[in-house]
Amino acid sequence: EVQLVESGGGLVQPGRSLRLSCAASGFTFDDYAMHWVRQAPGKGLEWVSGISWNSGSIGYADSVKGRFTISRDNAKNSLYLQMNSLRAEDTALYYCAKDIGPYYYGSGGGAFDIWGQGTMVTVSS
Amino acid sequence: DIQMTQSPSTLSASVGDRVTITCRASQSISSWLAWYQQKPGKAPKLLIYKASSLESGVPSRFSGSGSGTEFTLTISSLQPDDFATYYCQQYNSSLTFGGGTKVEIK
Repeated sequence: EVQLVESGGGLVQPGRSLRLSCAASGFTFDDYAMHWVRQAPGKGLEWVSGISWNSGSIGYADSVKGRFTISRDNAKNSLYLQMNSLRAEDTALYYCAKDIGPYYYGSGGGAFDIWGQGTMVTVSS
Repeated sequence: DIQMTQSPSTLSASVGDRVTITCRASQSISSWLAWYQQKPGKAPKLLIYKASSLESGVPSRFSGSGSGTEFTLTISSLQPDDFATYYCQQYNSSLTFGGGTKVEIK
């Protein structure tokens, strides 16, 4: 069964850090780009970051650039999101998502065919 | 950055209705557009990619069209399972979602 399982969310104070993980199974992980997408309570979807199959191409939303770092370990079939300098506006459900292609946008990919169940991040004092 | 504008934001319809949702890009995105369906408490589900390609397993009553800056998602005959929120997403240059369209029961 194709599956993505996120972990690492929780309650954190503003300015602190948190690391999210996503464990993939049921598909050849290193054939595909991967992404993090978030959804604030009652709001729409926001793409956060994407990484190509070999980590050679990485992108971030302007709202997280310089604070968040995406990475992957193909040997462990895992995706990560290191979140530093967290703000109240980062409060959201964070989804891990599999791309349909090896690159995270354009002709090489950019649509998400498999999603995890999400992990909640709450930034509050 | 490319902005995606969906309309309407809310749509009231009845079972059997033909429903059309529009998505406009602030600049040309060729055909690099996807559509998703999201139900409350669930992760989004991919319906359409590359503007008009139907994802495997998605009912044929869903269709997508358009290129450049104007795109539509059409549900040919609305079914009870289709009441949900729909999002468009461009992936031509970085990635951006539209604001969503909630399809409600009339």
